[in-house]
Amino acid sequence: AQSVTQLGSHVSVSEGALVLLRCNYSSSVPPYLFWYVQYPNQGLQLLLKYTSAATLVKGINGFEAEFKKSETSFHLTKPSAHMSDAAEYFCAVSDQAAGNKLTFGGGTRVLVKP
Amino acid sequence: EAGVAQSPRYKIIEKRQSVAFWCNPISGHATLYWYQQILGQGPKLLIQFQNNGVVDDSQLPKDRFSAERLKGVDSTLKIQPAKLEDSAVYLCASSLGGGRSPLHFGNGTRLTVT
Repeated sequence: AQSVTQLGSHVSVSEGALVLLRCNYSSSVPPYLFWYVQYPNQGLQLLLKYTSAATLVKGINGFEAEFKKSETSFHLTKPSAHMSDAAEYFCAVSDQAAGNKLTFGGGTRVLVKP
Repeated sequence: EAGVAQSPRYKIIEKRQSVAFWCNPISGHATLYWYQQILGQGPKLLIQFQNNGVVDDSQLPKDRFSAERLKGVDSTLKIQPAKLEDSAVYLCASSLGGGRSPLHFGNGTRLTVT
């Protein structure tokens, strides 16, 4: 069965600093991987996705993630944090062997300090 | 395009009462999902429909939860009777189908069981 682990339930960064959110996955088949962002009282919004093309994936709002098969990781980064990046971020893996079921990690809440 | 619509946005009920949530997916999206998101956790899949057939309901507490998707479009999720631990946000999502297709989420229904 697939699973997703996000290291750190809370991350605090200063405005303008690097944002790094860690995600490790387990999957029995080549995975499709996603990052979603959730703002307060809203649903989840897609940031970016990896579907076996380029290993470095660029998303919206200046975020990018790199798929590393050897490390089973898909970490999310942004070079310079903005106050509007304060939100909760979820990594997810799609299991092609199980009807494309999407499994989410526990989430990382990002706080941006001025 | 119009997004995924959910109603109501908020619901407060007493334990042992029943409640129903409604979801209207994006037009043309064959796959519909209901997720439960408990405060501080990632979304957990309750049920996945492909058109009007169930693909995965392995984590749906079938003694109290039921869901249907008539005519392969709108869907309702029902809880009867509700328990305190059912307090959560219930998210509906839809996609074109296939592991590469991202999910599009509604804003969710926040359920409080007292």
